[in-house]
Amino acid sequence: GQNIDQPTEMTATEGAIVQINCTYQTSGFNGLFWYQQHAGEAPTFLSYNVLDGLEEKGRFSSFLSRSKGYSYLLLKELQMKDSASYLCAVKDSNYQLIWGAGTKLIIKP
Amino acid sequence: DTAVSQTPKYLVTQMGNDKSIKCEQNLGHDTMYWYKQDSKKFLKIMFSYNNKELIINETVPNRFSPKSPDKAHLNLHINSLELGDSAVYFCASSPRTSEILLNEQFFGPGTRLTVL
Repeated sequence: GQNIDQPTEMTATEGAIVQINCTYQTSGFNGLFWYQQHAGEAPTFLSYNVLDGLEEKGRFSSFLSRSKGYSYLLLKELQMKDSASYLCAVKDSNYQLIWGAGTKLIIKP
Repeated sequence: DTAVSQTPKYLVTQMGNDKSIKCEQNLGHDTMYWYKQDSKKFLKIMFSYNNKELIINETVPNRFSPKSPDKAHLNLHINSLELGDSAVYFCASSPRTSEILLNEQFFGPGTRLTVL
């Protein structure tokens, strides 16, 4: 079967750095997405990786290793507004998005 | 000027009823989707639809049916509601078909359905 694994919850301090990991086992791979979802709101797109390596976008970076079936989302200079769930999703061989359950990130002052 | 809108935002109904959730996007996108997010927060694709093709997740009961009056709308009709249908339903759209790899999806605000 297809599987996306992420930690259920993480806690970090305002101003610090946090890394949220995602491992996947899917039938084929056509890219990996990270979305942010604040409580009670819709997911919003953060990043996309299809080749190995690091993609940087401001305070957020996303890394991919296809051989390891592994990605991480790195958040720097954490702000209170970064408290949210972070969803990892992989596009499989049928071009369908398979979603992880998300990692709830709690930022403390 | 909301990009993807859904109505209603909250829907509380009795088991056995039939209900519809409406979705509209004003982004000019080609493809629209319906997702179900359950209490464990898993997002599960139910349908994806463009003007050429409807792709149905085979695990979706046939009590659920998408209806698209035009390119900008994809409504979700649910017959004979069951307790297990309680969840948040998200509509989404994307500018291209799923086969385009970087195909960012824009989500509506969600409809919280509670079946009593």
